[in-house]
Amino acid sequence: GQQVMQIPQYQHVQEGEDFTTYCNSSTTLSNIQWYKQRPGGHPVFLIQLVKSGEVKKQKRLTFQFGEAKKNSSLHITATQTTDVGTYFCAGPRSAAGGTSYGKLTFGQGTILTVHP
Amino acid sequence: DAMVIQNPRYQVTQFGKPVTLSCSQTLNHNVMYWYQQKSSQAPKLLFHYYDKDFNNEADTPDNFQSRRPNTSFCFLDIRSPGLGDAAMYLCATRSRGSGTDTQYFGPGTRLTVL
Repeated sequence: GQQVMQIPQYQHVQEGEDFTTYCNSSTTLSNIQWYKQRPGGHPVFLIQLVKSGEVKKQKRLTFQFGEAKKNSSLHITATQTTDVGTYFCAGPRSAAGGTSYGKLTFGQGTILTVHP
Repeated sequence: DAMVIQNPRYQVTQFGKPVTLSCSQTLNHNVMYWYQQKSSQAPKLLFHYYDKDFNNEADTPDNFQSRRPNTSFCFLDIRSPGLGDAAMYLCATRSRGSGTDTQYFGPGTRLTVL
C-alpha cells in the first residue's frame, strides 16, 4: 500500500538555527499538504503544493514539491520558540477506481524542539 | 468564524463504559472524518462520511461506531472502551468538490480510560 515516510522523527535545534524535514511517498502524488500540530493541539493546515517542482514561501517557511511529485520538504529559517510542534506531510490516499474521498496518508511527523 | 467544534475536550471513562464524543461544524462541509491519534504518532483514520454515506476503514475495530444525523453533526461511539483506546480523537471536515484535499481539524477530545 501507499506509504509516506518522513524524516527525521525528532529534531532539536537552538533558537536561530535552521530546520528541515523531508517527506517521501512510495507513489506519485497529485498534491502534498503540510500540517503543524502544536503540543497538546490539533493539526492545522499550512499549505498545499500541486505542481511539479513547486516552491512556496510563508515568511520563514519554505515548502518544496519534487519534480517527480514523490517528495517534499519544509525548511524553516532561523527557528523561533513559536515553531515548536510536530510537522506532518500528507498526500491524497491512492485508491482503486480513483475515489478516495479526500482521504490522506500522513507521514509519521517530525517533532521539532527549539531551545531558547 | 466558521469552525469545527468538538465536545468534550477531555473525557474520562471507565474500562468498558460506553462513551460518545461529538463533533459539529459550521463550514457546511459534506465530508467528515474521525481520526484516532496516540502520542507521537500520526492521526489514524477510523471512518468518514460523504454526506450520509458511511465508510469504515478496514482496520477500525467494531468497538467504534459513528452517527451523522445531519450535515453539521457527527458522533463517535466507543461501545466498550479498553485501555488501548486512550488517545486523542480528532474530527476533521472537507468540502468535496472544492478542488482541494485540505482537511480542517477540530481541537480534539482527549480520552482517558481508567
